[in-house]
Parts: sequence; C-alpha cells; structure tokens
Amino acid sequence: GENVEQHPSTLSVQEGDSAVIKCTYSDSASNYFPWYKQELGKGPQLIIDIRSNVGEKKDQRIAVTLNKTAKHFSLHITETQPEDSAVYFCAASIAGRRALTFGSGTRLQVQP
Amino acid sequence: GAVVSQHPSRVICKSGTSVKIECRSLDFQATTMFWYRQFPKQSLMLMATSNEGSKATYEQGVEKDKFLINHASLTLSTLTVTSAHPEDSSFYICSASIARSYNEQFFGPGTRLTVL
Repeated sequence: GENVEQHPSTLSVQEGDSAVIKCTYSDSASNYFPWYKQELGKGPQLIIDIRSNVGEKKDQRIAVTLNKTAKHFSLHITETQPEDSAVYFCAASIAGRRALTFGSGTRLQVQP
Repeated sequence: GAVVSQHPSRVICKSGTSVKIECRSLDFQATTMFWYRQFPKQSLMLMATSNEGSKATYEQGVEKDKFLINHASLTLSTLTVTSAHPEDSSFYICSASIARSYNEQFFGPGTRLTVL
C-alpha cells in the first residue's frame, strides 16, 4: 500500500518568515495530494490540494509543488502569521481508491 | 458548502457500554464516508470506508464486530463502538466524499471518546 513520510515533525518560525513542509510517497499510482490544517481538538481542514497533472498550485500565501518523478510534494507558506500555528498533514490518494494515506504531521509554531 | 457534522463532540462512558457516533453531510450527498481514529499527537489512521447501502470495508487490524459502521443514507453514517474499553479512548473523525469530486474529502469536527 501507500506510505507517506512527512518532515519535519516540528517547525518553529518567526512571524513573517516562510515555512516549508515536505512529504514523500511510495506509490507511483497516487494522483491526488491534499494538505490539511488541524487545530487542537478539531477536525482537519483542507487548505490546498494538487493533482498529478499539475506541478505547482498557489492560493494567496500558500503554495504546493509536486515532483512526480521524485515522488515528493511540498507545502510552502509565505509571510507566516500566528494564526498559521497548527498541525499540518499531507496525504496521498491512489487513483480509483478514495481513501487517503496521511503523513505523520508537522506541528508549526509561528512566533510573534 | 461541503459541511460535515459529527455528534456528539464529546462522550464519556463506562467500560463495557456501547457508544454511537453520527456523521452527517449537511449540504451534499456523500456516496462514500470514511472513519478515522487519531491518538494524541499522532496522525489520522483510517479505520473503515463505507459506501451508502453496502457493507463497510475495514482496514487491517480493525475489528468489524467491535466498530460497527452503518451508512444507511447518502447523508448519514454511524460508528458504534461496542463494549468499549479504556484503550478505545481516542479522537474519532469522519469524512465524506462527493462522488463528482475527484478524491476530495471533507472532514467532520471529530468526537472525543473517553472510556472510564
């Protein structure tokens, strides 16, 4: 089955700096890669996703890049704000099977 | 749009009792719903996938007789934890997928189960 690895496990940045979280996946058949933000005691919220026919996608301060050859994808948050502090999860889905395989999560702390 | 609710948000029960958790898609029809379990500071682990009107597909290591899943309509799925024990204490999260949306899942707010 699919295996998703996520790094780093914790990340502390100063407000205004950029944050980058990286994930690798094992199954070359995976074709959907979402990123979720989870605040304490709440369910995950989709913040951005990318499909295998696209190399990069941007939504305001958030961007995701995908390298299918290397089987890795990354989340980039620019101009970080304290409210960006949360746990971020990457995930991958295998074509034809909609269950997501999640990475282990990254706890992002934005210092004001 | 694409809102998923869960009820209850928190539940405390005694060991040996059963607990039912409801997952509802409020503004869309969900052909597929998923149930996850999350232990503190850990990732989400898929327990089972359920399609409306059919039996759920359980992940390896998840006891189907202990975690009963019913997906009776396109807007409601329930998870019943039978004969709960303290080790079943966890954060249970459901998600729902819109058939026309390519793999996209919308998550509920989660249910915190504590078994005494």
